[in-house]
Amino acid sequence: AQKITQTQPGMFVQEKEAVTLDCTYDTSDQSYGLFWYKQPSSGEMIFLIYQGSYDEQNATEGRYSLNFQKARKSANLVISASQLGDSAMYFCAMREYSNTGKLIFGQGTTLQVKP
Amino acid sequence: ETGVTQTPRHLVMGMTNKKSLKCEQHLGHNAMYWYKQSAKKPLELMFVYSLEERVENNSVPSRFSPECPNSSHLFLHLHTLQPEDSALYLCASSQERALNTEAFFGQGTRLTVV
Repeated sequence: AQKITQTQPGMFVQEKEAVTLDCTYDTSDQSYGLFWYKQPSSGEMIFLIYQGSYDEQNATEGRYSLNFQKARKSANLVISASQLGDSAMYFCAMREYSNTGKLIFGQGTTLQVKP
Repeated sequence: ETGVTQTPRHLVMGMTNKKSLKCEQHLGHNAMYWYKQSAKKPLELMFVYSLEERVENNSVPSRFSPECPNSSHLFLHLHTLQPEDSALYLCASSQERALNTEAFFGQGTRLTVV
């Protein structure tokens, strides 16, 4: 069964420093996609970054990068040069090709950036 | 603007009321989803529609009734809700089985049941 685990309920980071948010997953599919979303206090879900199970290189999008370790089934999000506006809830999610393409989410990590 | 619009943004309803949440997407996607997000809980997938057909119903109580009249619209009909149903309800759309494309979310309807 599809499962996503985020073990950090809350994280603090100093402004301008880097932070890593952990995500592990479990699937029996060979084809799957991993996603990170940001949810500010306003509630909308903002897509940040995607990693495919067959991608050999780690995904990067601006200040966001994904540390993908397939053998360990982990897909950690790295935010570099944190900004105050990065304070939000962050969700890791997965889609399996065989399973209607639905997104299953982890529990989320609340990130607070300190000035 | 994410391409997915949800109305209303906020809703307060009594336990005997009947109301509907609306979701609309014009992204050409063929799959739509309802998620429930309660305070301090992860997003729970409620319903999945693919090509206007319900393909998943995750043990959701019958007081929640989804409807997908076409590929662009998704409704969630609510009746005789309980206070514990108060939550943020998020609609999303995507291309089914297109692993490398993200799901797009609406801004959600914050529902309070009194």
